Amino acid sequence: QKEVEQDPGPLSVPEGAIVSLNCTYSNSAFQYFMWYRQYSRKGPELLMYTYSSGNKEDGRFTAQVDKSSKYISLFIRDSQPSDSATYLCAMTANTGGFKTIFGAGTRLFVKA
Amino acid sequence: EAGVAQSPRYKIIEKRQSVAFWCNPISGHATLYWYQQILGQGPKLLIQFQNNGVVDDSQLPKDRFSAERLKGVDSTLKIQPAKLEDSAVYLCASSPRRETVLTGELFFGEGSRLTVL
Repeated sequence: QKEVEQDPGPLSVPEGAIVSLNCTYSNSAFQYFMWYRQYSRKGPELLMYTYSSGNKEDGRFTAQVDKSSKYISLFIRDSQPSDSATYLCAMTANTGGFKTIFGAGTRLFVKA
Repeated sequence: EAGVAQSPRYKIIEKRQSVAFWCNPISGHATLYWYQQILGQGPKLLIQFQNNGVVDDSQLPKDRFSAERLKGVDSTLKIQPAKLEDSAVYLCASSPRRETVLTGELFFGEGSRLTVL
């Protein structure tokens, strides 16, 4: 079993839709949870990070963490064609060398 | 502020040949990482440097991969001899300090895409 599981998609939605992206994980030591966005032929860039359980909102993006279920989500409201990219969940613990473990990424296509 | 620079962007080689990738991190960043991203997968850490010392190389295939970070700044990743399964994007990333990755302060370059024929 992989430490972090993420459905690779692709996920195709119409412009304006609400998008839900999810990851599950197995290591209960993870405390910090990140979402990175990766455009084609570019490196990943940080969207948001969350510490422990709870919600965090930044504009059209909301990140949720449920540590009891080992489940994290990223919601995108009013999706735009410019949101078309691969979304990588990532997580790390405050131990073990601060290693960041990435999910496989979900490819999202937002159609105009 | 300049980002992480990598070269070459693309490289095609035959199996059993060698290849080297170069990375220049963001100025002042103490920690440098090399990741391997195979098509359809997330980045996998190969090696982590703190200044010019290796912190973690547990997932580096040391029989064929080597990396160095001279003077704690630029870094080079070498593959010799290359195998077909080494076809991937090699991403270099840097962070101000090791612990800043906890809040996602991991800055990536655009990557070097390797195709092994």
